[in-house]
Amino acid sequence: QVQLVQSGAEVKKPGASVKVSCRASGYSFSNLYMHWVRHAPGQGLEYMGTINPFSGATDYAQKFQGRITMTKDTSTSTVYIEVNNLRSDDTAVYYCARDGSYDYWGQGTLVTVSS
Amino acid sequence: QAVVTQEPSVTVSPGGTVTLTCSSSTGPVTSGHFPNWFQQKPGQAPRALIYRASNRHSWTPARFSASLLGGKAALILSDVQPEDEAEYYCLLFYGGAHYVFGSGTKVTVL
Repeated sequence: QVQLVQSGAEVKKPGASVKVSCRASGYSFSNLYMHWVRHAPGQGLEYMGTINPFSGATDYAQKFQGRITMTKDTSTSTVYIEVNNLRSDDTAVYYCARDGSYDYWGQGTLVTVSS
Repeated sequence: QAVVTQEPSVTVSPGGTVTLTCSSSTGPVTSGHFPNWFQQKPGQAPRALIYRASNRHSWTPARFSASLLGGKAALILSDVQPEDEAEYYCLLFYGGAHYVFGSGTKVTVL
């Protein structure tokens, strides 16, 4: 069955970087784009961007351009998102979600940014 | 960037029907926005309910339906059950990586 398994919770200081992983299984990894979405406490869902696991091409939401990097490792069917220069308002649960109508989601990774 | 607006909250009685809407600041919502609808309960990942405006996923109960209505995307919850209490989000596509989530609607079953 399709599964997206994300890495564990992270605590970072302001100005640091964090890299979250999302390992896919149960389907052909390269065939479907992967999206990243975050959910800050008390806020709504926020779309961050997408990666093509076949080519590695990325497309980021304007708000995040220059501050996030999405990459992939085909050998392990894993995609990554790295967020740089963290601020307190980056504290959120980060999700990966498979294209194909966002049918499958990772369990979420809590990133806490605190001094 | 476009702003996608939903009702902040609605209350519905068990067995009742409620319609949630999703509007775009750029104009009418159309099939070209490929509207998706999601349900999210506290502490859980979002769950996809509807894709491409009106298509249910295999796991979506038949009491959830959706359409384009009066320039908005609409999610209709019929025969509402207590377990339907959750936050509901729409997602619209504007091209490239330009997807925007709606502000979310909290559905209370009371």
